[in-house]
Amino acid sequence: ETGVTQTPRHLVMGMTNKKSLKCEQHLGHNAMYWYKQSAKKPLELMFVYSLEERVENNSVPSRFSPECPNSSHLFLHLHTLQPEDSALYLCASSQGVLETQYFGPGTRLLVL
Amino acid sequence: AQTVTQSQPEMSVQEAETVTLSCTYDTSENNYYLFWYKQPPSRQMILVIRQEAYKQQNATENRFSVNFQKAAKSFSLKISDSQLGDTAMYFCAFMKHVSGAGSYQLTFGKGTKLSVIP
Repeated sequence: ETGVTQTPRHLVMGMTNKKSLKCEQHLGHNAMYWYKQSAKKPLELMFVYSLEERVENNSVPSRFSPECPNSSHLFLHLHTLQPEDSALYLCASSQGVLETQYFGPGTRLLVL
Repeated sequence: AQTVTQSQPEMSVQEAETVTLSCTYDTSENNYYLFWYKQPPSRQMILVIRQEAYKQQNATENRFSVNFQKAAKSFSLKISDSQLGDTAMYFCAFMKHVSGAGSYQLTFGKGTKLSVIP
């Protein structure tokens, strides 16, 4: 598979559930990102990892916990989410943090 | 904090015609990067074009070109010979490196929905 892949593509969870989003990039990049895209709001950068170390956290609530075990994989662990966390979560990668980013198809999350 | 403004929520253009999407931004930085991304109905975010602020020459990628006016803080996207496949949301984005902190700031506009009419 090429590019950036994300699983699952759709997820419905209750407020007490724990789930994880997975992202995998097949581009040989060394930086990966998590974004949140809500309706009628600008795209929000959540986390940035460069060489597997987190270099940006835009004041994201602790109920979102990222994990980057290697340069090809990125996870977003979710627990005790709120309904307002329902959104499209996009993963991206780039070769160098300031370089062009390539996005995955996203995971559509619904919190009930 | 940086802000990115896309003043046109929706636009339409006839197939084969030319359309320009506007983007303005506010920053006190001198070195930064600007991007245009395309998000078709499939939701994939596709990089269209990129501009480094230190380069005076406007970036061009096939039918896509930008008009980068650094002093005016303007970064418009021109699409020539519009095609039906150009129908999508277009996002303008600003990125800078926060020196000394090892961090980066990336700010997106709210997007412009472009419809290409047959």
